[in-house]
Amino acid sequence: EAGVAQSPRYKIIEKRQSVAFWCNPISGHATLYWYQQILGQGPKLLIQFQNNGVVDDSQLPKDRFSAERLKGVDSTLKIQPAKLEDSAVYLCASSLPVSSEAFFGQGTRLTVV
Amino acid sequence: AQRVTQPEKLLSVFKGAPVELKCNYSYSGSPELFWYVQYSRQRLQLLLRHISRESIKGFTADLNKGETSFHLKKPFAQEEDSAMYYCALNSGGGADGLTFGKGTHLIIQP
Repeated sequence: EAGVAQSPRYKIIEKRQSVAFWCNPISGHATLYWYQQILGQGPKLLIQFQNNGVVDDSQLPKDRFSAERLKGVDSTLKIQPAKLEDSAVYLCASSLPVSSEAFFGQGTRLTVV
Repeated sequence: AQRVTQPEKLLSVFKGAPVELKCNYSYSGSPELFWYVQYSRQRLQLLLRHISRESIKGFTADLNKGETSFHLKKPFAQEEDSAMYYCALNSGGGADGLTFGKGTHLIIQP
């Protein structure tokens, strides 16, 4: 079965620029998550979707981060404007609606200079 | 607030030796506990979870609610066990998001 797909794999931008990441979950997985993993830390949940509705965005810095999942399948995460401390790996994961097993993508490594 | 603590950033053992990766958690309810593993150049993947009580690749983990611990153990380490290991929990609500520890880098020396 195809896994969670993310693009791009790597991105380098200057501070104050904008960036967007894309995620395509496993087919049939209604639940989609975005995590931020800073070097040396474990992943931190940014936002969770159930279909196209937001379940939890309590840790999303809403002044600069936004995410959408318009048709309940693909999702995009945007940062505008980026700060140096946003340098991290951004992981997308998906799961079946009532399953606790999350399947992760390869991640997008963002470097803000 | 929920928190997961993995006290060892790095653990190095010899092949054939026993392995124990420590994990402690704080959560007021009845969480579900997980171990995720990331091998070199691979994506993060589920190793095991406490509700299934399975042994995966020779690893086991027992949830100790009294000590709020979920340590990962393997009696005889193999070189292919070298990886980053993350302990995680959710609130026990099925597909809820995970709270991860900082991870332990396990190195198995030949």
